Amino acid sequence: QKEVEQNSGPLSVPEGAIASLNCTYSDRGSQSFFWYRQYSGKSPELIMFIYSNGDKEDGRFTAQLNKASQYVSLLIRDSQPSDSATYLCAVIPGTYKYIFGTGTRLKVLA
Amino acid sequence: DVKVTQSSRYLVKRTGEKVFLECVQDMDHENMFWYRQDPGLGLRLIYFSYDVKMKEKGDIPEGYSVSREKKERFSLILESASTNQTSMYLCASSASRGMSDTQYFGPGTRLTVL
Repeated sequence: QKEVEQNSGPLSVPEGAIASLNCTYSDRGSQSFFWYRQYSGKSPELIMFIYSNGDKEDGRFTAQLNKASQYVSLLIRDSQPSDSATYLCAVIPGTYKYIFGTGTRLKVLA
Repeated sequence: DVKVTQSSRYLVKRTGEKVFLECVQDMDHENMFWYRQDPGLGLRLIYFSYDVKMKEKGDIPEGYSVSREKKERFSLILESASTNQTSMYLCASSASRGMSDTQYFGPGTRLTVL
């Protein structure tokens, strides 16, 4: 079993819709969870991090964490074509070393 | 703003050559990382360093070495490049070991080994 799993996609959503990106992890001791966005040919950039169960909102983005289910998600409200990118989930399983998922490719259709 | 720079955006080398990839960060970060990114495999950690002259192996260190003589600079060395080392190489840095330890990435170096 991979340590951090994401559906590779592509996930296609119409402009203005909510995009829901999901990530599961295997290490129950994981403490911190990150979402990065990566445009084609570019390096990853941080969207947000979360380490407490529940929701964390930042503008159009909401991260949701459920440690009991070992599940973290990212919701993007009012999706725009500029949100089209690959979204990487990353987990810190108790040390400062990140474990990355392989990413979900999101396409927002105008 | 944190700035992480890498010496080259694109690099073409021949099999057997020694290759140096340089990374510099300007935010006095303690931790620095080298990853490679391949389609379908995601980001894989090669080596990391949490202090000057300190280094630790990541998940795929074979065929690579690193050097960190100064806090701001972390070099990745391919002792004898091989075609299976053709990849995108990403350097990252972070400030602390805390729970909100954000990694900041450089622009990447796309290395082709012929």
